[in-house]
Amino acid sequence: DTGVSQNPRHKITKRGQNVTFRCDPISEHNRLYWYRQTLGQGPEFLTYFQNEAQLEKSRLLSDRFSAERPKGSFSTLEIQRTEQGDSAMYLCASSFTGLGTQYFGPGTRLTVL
Amino acid sequence: GQQLNQSPQSMFIQEGEDVSMNCTSSSIFNTWLWYKQDPGEGPVLLIALYKAGELTSNGRLTAQFGITRKDSFLNISASIPSDVGIYFCAGQLREGETSGSRLTFGEGTQLTVNP
Repeated sequence: DTGVSQNPRHKITKRGQNVTFRCDPISEHNRLYWYRQTLGQGPEFLTYFQNEAQLEKSRLLSDRFSAERPKGSFSTLEIQRTEQGDSAMYLCASSFTGLGTQYFGPGTRLTVL
Repeated sequence: GQQLNQSPQSMFIQEGEDVSMNCTSSSIFNTWLWYKQDPGEGPVLLIALYKAGELTSNGRLTAQFGITRKDSFLNISASIPSDVGIYFCAGQLREGETSGSRLTFGEGTQLTVNP
């Protein structure tokens, strides 16, 4: 399978704990995006990388959130001191520069108790 | 910021019927995309539109990029039970511009197909 993959698919954590998600993009894609989706809503942009450079961050990305893409391949999204409001589906997408089409992974469903 | 208004919010149709849904924006987009999402899964790309006025088909699906670049519609012909899901429109500005790469999504159209 050469699509976007995300791990884990589900994560249940207690409030105050730190969590980290991983995204592996389509191999030839140099751009990687993170979105968050809450129930009944469309995905909302969080941040994106071109190769290893983080080029844009949304205001939704509070200082408890950090994303990395150290070698320009896979990316991680960490949430520190999780809050119940962080419960959502976290989606990763990838694309190739110059083309608007973004391909999404299956998502990581986070539940904060 | 930009907002996409997607309608209708939900549709209940009989198998075999045609479906139409649309998205409008207060701002211009340079790319329009349509995705389908099943419960617990990520959005799957259906159709991408890159030019104003463009009409593109993918099997039973047809989508158009509005002339004003502020709207798009998606039609599904001869619906079948597996068409059930949530359909999202998404707009993108232009890569290279500030905030140009992010997708802005509508709130989705929930489609139910009765056999």
